[in-house]
Amino acid sequence: DTAVSQTPKYLVTQMGNDKSIKCEQNLGHDTMYWYKQDSKKFLKIMFSYNNKELIINETVPNRFSPKSPDKAHLNLHINSLELGDSAVYFCASSPHLLAGEADEQFFGPGTRLTVL
Amino acid sequence: RKEVEQDPGPFNVPEGATVAFNCTYSNSASQSFFWYRQDCRKEPKLLMSVYSSGNEDGRFTAQLNRASQYISLLIRDSKLSDSATYLCVVRGDYNTDKLIFGTGTRLQVFP
Repeated sequence: DTAVSQTPKYLVTQMGNDKSIKCEQNLGHDTMYWYKQDSKKFLKIMFSYNNKELIINETVPNRFSPKSPDKAHLNLHINSLELGDSAVYFCASSPHLLAGEADEQFFGPGTRLTVL
Repeated sequence: RKEVEQDPGPFNVPEGATVAFNCTYSNSASQSFFWYRQDCRKEPKLLMSVYSSGNEDGRFTAQLNRASQYISLLIRDSKLSDSATYLCVVRGDYNTDKLIFGTGTRLQVFP
């Protein structure tokens, strides 16, 4: 009955590899997000999708490519991994785009990526 | 200047104490404000929204001062289980659902 789930939970890989992180939400939400939390615990948005359409694309290197096959899934593919990509990546969802004042974003448990 | 600034702490307080966290934001057009809580190695979770008139939820009280671009969170009668990082979060302009997170204030409640 998990609301927002991510796989894998931990990912350890070598520089230069390509990896994917999967996210699924069973809340029926329209909007999904990817966030990166770095070693200083700073949480920053990377992308948002609404009904499979890209809405927000922050200044993220184009090695990062989100893909939304349907509105319940938002996957993140990373090419040519670099040391600086090491972080915790959180997926989140919210009911609607341009959510109202009280609308909340629900976060997945995070994927801890370590690039060696 | 960071878009959302918080004192990182840590704030170390005894059980039963009252503790207050402050946060300032730079964009005067910001529309919505929140406090999220993040436990160690866990995901952030919404603690409470912050409304213009101020609002209270049990032991937690949030205040917003739009003129000073300042948000506060007051925790009364601290419990050990309140130990966590408290993230001040601001939604940007009216036409965006982008949330901007502060770096968080760490609270440690001791017996």
